[in-house]
Amino acid sequence: AQKITQTQPGMFVQEKEAVTLDCTYDTSDQSYGLFWYKQPSSGEMIFLIYQGSYDEQNATEGRYSLNFQKARKSANLVISASQLGDSAMYFCAMRGGGFKTIFGAGTRLFVKA
Amino acid sequence: EAGVAQSPRYKIIEKRQSVAFWCNPISGHATLYWYQQILGQGPKLLIQFQNNGVVDDSQLPKDRFSAERLKGVDSTLKIQPAKLEDSAVYLCASSLVRGRDANYGYTFGSGTRLTVV
Repeated sequence: AQKITQTQPGMFVQEKEAVTLDCTYDTSDQSYGLFWYKQPSSGEMIFLIYQGSYDEQNATEGRYSLNFQKARKSANLVISASQLGDSAMYFCAMRGGGFKTIFGAGTRLFVKA
Repeated sequence: EAGVAQSPRYKIIEKRQSVAFWCNPISGHATLYWYQQILGQGPKLLIQFQNNGVVDDSQLPKDRFSAERLKGVDSTLKIQPAKLEDSAVYLCASSLVRGRDANYGYTFGSGTRLTVV
């Protein structure tokens, strides 16, 4: 069975500092994709970044990077130079061979001025 | 391009009543998903359509929930009769052809917040 675990219910970070949001996963699929989504208070889910299981390089998208450690089954999101607008819920997700995407429970990030 | 449209934005109903949600995906997106997000939890997939056919509905409570996607475009999700535990945000998402462009995430709508009292 597939599973996504996010162990940090809430995180605080000072504006302009970097923060790492943890995500571990479990799957028996050989090919899978890992995603991070942001959900602001408005409720809409916003796709941030993708990492394929066969990608050798860590994915980066602007201030977002995904620290992918396949042997440890972890896919942590790193946000550099945090901004006040980064305050939101962040969800780690995985899509396996069946193309069904499952989500973790989320981490709420608070950026302090 | 226009995003995924959902309506209504909010809905309050009494238990045992029925309710329907509507979703219009991004033009050209063959795959459509309905997710249920209970407060404080991550979204849970209810049903996945490929064009107008059902790909996965394993977590859809079929005794009370139904969904259809006519002509492979718009979709409706219905609950009848509603229970208190159905209170949640119902998110619709769409993506390009299943499998292809798999490295792109879904595009979600703003969701419908359902409160059952």
